[in-house]
Amino acid sequence: QQQVRQSPQSLTVWEGETAILNCSYEDSTFDYFPWYHQFPGESPALLIAIRPVSNKKEDGRFTIFFNKREKKFSLHIADSQPGDSATYFCAPNVGDNSKLIWGLGTSLVVNP
Amino acid sequence: GGIITQTPKFLIGQEGQKLTLKCQQNFNHDTMYWYRQDSGKGLRLIYYSITENDLQKGDLSEGYDASREKKSSFSLTVTSAQKNEMAVFLCASSNRLGGHAETLYFGSGTRLTVL
Repeated sequence: QQQVRQSPQSLTVWEGETAILNCSYEDSTFDYFPWYHQFPGESPALLIAIRPVSNKKEDGRFTIFFNKREKKFSLHIADSQPGDSATYFCAPNVGDNSKLIWGLGTSLVVNP
Repeated sequence: GGIITQTPKFLIGQEGQKLTLKCQQNFNHDTMYWYRQDSGKGLRLIYYSITENDLQKGDLSEGYDASREKKSSFSLTVTSAQKNEMAVFLCASSNRLGGHAETLYFGSGTRLTVL
């Protein structure tokens, strides 16, 4: 049973558009909601994260929107650039046992 | 800042062979992880460790052993390499604040090929 679902599996946008990546989860004990990005040939790296005390977290062009009631959080990438082309993973944290639950990823391509 | 060093970067083994992958971190992080990533796929947790000499099984622990003899190092052993095991093995570490894992920092990976 997959606890974390990402959609879409792949996404192509034009440079300058807003890319929207979605993550839904089942476990209501999750309390840390990060997004990692992974460029081809590289390892994942933290992009941005949110705790449920807030519904929104911004960092430059990257924004997380969090909906606790619907158990969803999304990553919005404004003014998308070709350099944003990567795979994006959501990986919410389970309670206090350090075990992140990784989604299967969304492959984003930004065309110039 | 710190760094996570994985050795070797490339590992070629024979089917049935026992293979060991090593990971060192100088962040002084409590928690360390081993993940497997197949080509174009997501990350699957093999083992993690929240402190020295602790081991916790992940979803993919069968066929693997791990060892955390020091806080700074975490090794992974493939007990009997199989051809479908060709993948990148990623080591990561994180701190725990208030009992929750914070940012994971990843090494550059060990790419395993089984002949």
